[in-house]
Amino acid sequence: GAVVSQHPSRVICKSGTSVKIECRSLDFQATTMFWYRQFPKQSLMLMATSNEGSKATYEQGVEKDKFLINHASLTLSTLTVTSAHPEDSSFYICSARPGPSSGNTIYFGEGSWLTVV
Amino acid sequence: GQNIDQPTEMTATEGAIVQINCTYQTSGFNGLFWYQQHAGEAPTFLSYNVLDGLEEKGRFSSFLSRSKGYSYLLLKELQMKDSASYLCAVRDLYNFNKFYFGSGTKLNVKP
Repeated sequence: GAVVSQHPSRVICKSGTSVKIECRSLDFQATTMFWYRQFPKQSLMLMATSNEGSKATYEQGVEKDKFLINHASLTLSTLTVTSAHPEDSSFYICSARPGPSSGNTIYFGEGSWLTVV
Repeated sequence: GQNIDQPTEMTATEGAIVQINCTYQTSGFNGLFWYQQHAGEAPTFLSYNVLDGLEEKGRFSSFLSRSKGYSYLLLKELQMKDSASYLCAVRDLYNFNKFYFGSGTKLNVKP
């Protein structure tokens, strides 16, 4: 079945550095992927829509210069947290949908825990 | 704007039935989804409603009333492994792949 994979699953970085999280669709092509952030005990918050070959669309309140999204191929989207701060520590999850023939199911990646120290 | 409300936490007993409610006020509606999420893991799909009524899927059922902006997830014959957060999500009217999530309901199943 369709699978979405994220890497790394856990990452610790120092304040001020940048960290990249990858989201891959393993057996389908995804022209659109979505990035969410989830703080402890809170729900998923949609951050941005990643569009293959074009600029990402960011939700209101999300800093596009801080959360860089690159969707360079039909199976890979990356989220780069630039100049990370401790308040960026969170669970980041991506999602993708194989296409209309897959019905209404969307698939989520395993998530990536980011800790900024 | 999007406003999706769920109770924060619920407790139920193994073998019992529990109903988790979700109300929504969104600028557009194209289906309501329920997801299960265990701590630290990605959400997994449970059910989907786009028309009014009840959808049954094994031990899980989901109900939708579009006129009332209301849905519930019904879990029967509760098992300990059902302890998780349950997320209600509304799909965007114009983008089939875009979802807005409620804050989630943490369900605690006790023996």
